[in-house]
Amino acid sequence: AQSVTQLGSHVSVSEGALVLLRCNYSSSVPPYLFWYVQYPNQGLQLLLKYTTGATLVKGINGFEAEFKKSETSFHLTKPSAHMSDAAEYFCAVSLGGSNYKLTFGKGTLLTMNP
Amino acid sequence: DTGVSQDPRHKITKRGQNVTFRCDPISEHNRLYWYRQTLGQGPEFLTYFQNEAQLEKSRLLSDRFSAERPKGSFSTLEIQRTEQGDSAMYLCASSLLQGLNSPLHFGNGTRLTVT
Repeated sequence: AQSVTQLGSHVSVSEGALVLLRCNYSSSVPPYLFWYVQYPNQGLQLLLKYTTGATLVKGINGFEAEFKKSETSFHLTKPSAHMSDAAEYFCAVSLGGSNYKLTFGKGTLLTMNP
Repeated sequence: DTGVSQDPRHKITKRGQNVTFRCDPISEHNRLYWYRQTLGQGPEFLTYFQNEAQLEKSRLLSDRFSAERPKGSFSTLEIQRTEQGDSAMYLCASSLLQGLNSPLHFGNGTRLTVT
């Protein structure tokens, strides 16, 4: 079985500031890890994924995440936030070998300080 | 790539009525998935198809729910005798068969409100 915990249901940053969204997972086997973004009234868009290999993964829109097995974490970062980054972000995990059965966290809403 | 299309975008129904949602996946995608998302929660897996075969159903999918993908293309999700607890966003996604190198592409969802 697997689970995901996203620490902080709401994060607010100023434009140009560092974005850090936290995700911890639990998995009985080496996990595949994903970050998705959801804009209002839209579906989910894949930002990045970790399956095997390099633990620092780069995604779209300047986001990246690092898989840390010892900490069971997969935190999402972006060095400089942009107004267009305001959205809800979901971390997800699946058991190795297939991406069909994603288990999602509850999400973190990222808002931009005016 | 025209994306995953879901219809309708919004559905308001009275308790006890039946509703049906449609999902058109990306044309060459073999796999099709249904997820449900309630307010303040992440999406929860309901079921998935590989071509026309329904390969897995979550325990969340009660007997009132049925999904079909008759020709391995579009899919329908029917909810019979709707209850207020069925109010949620129903998301459809599709992917190629190649597994970990094929991400899920999500549609914009159907938002169901049961009054």
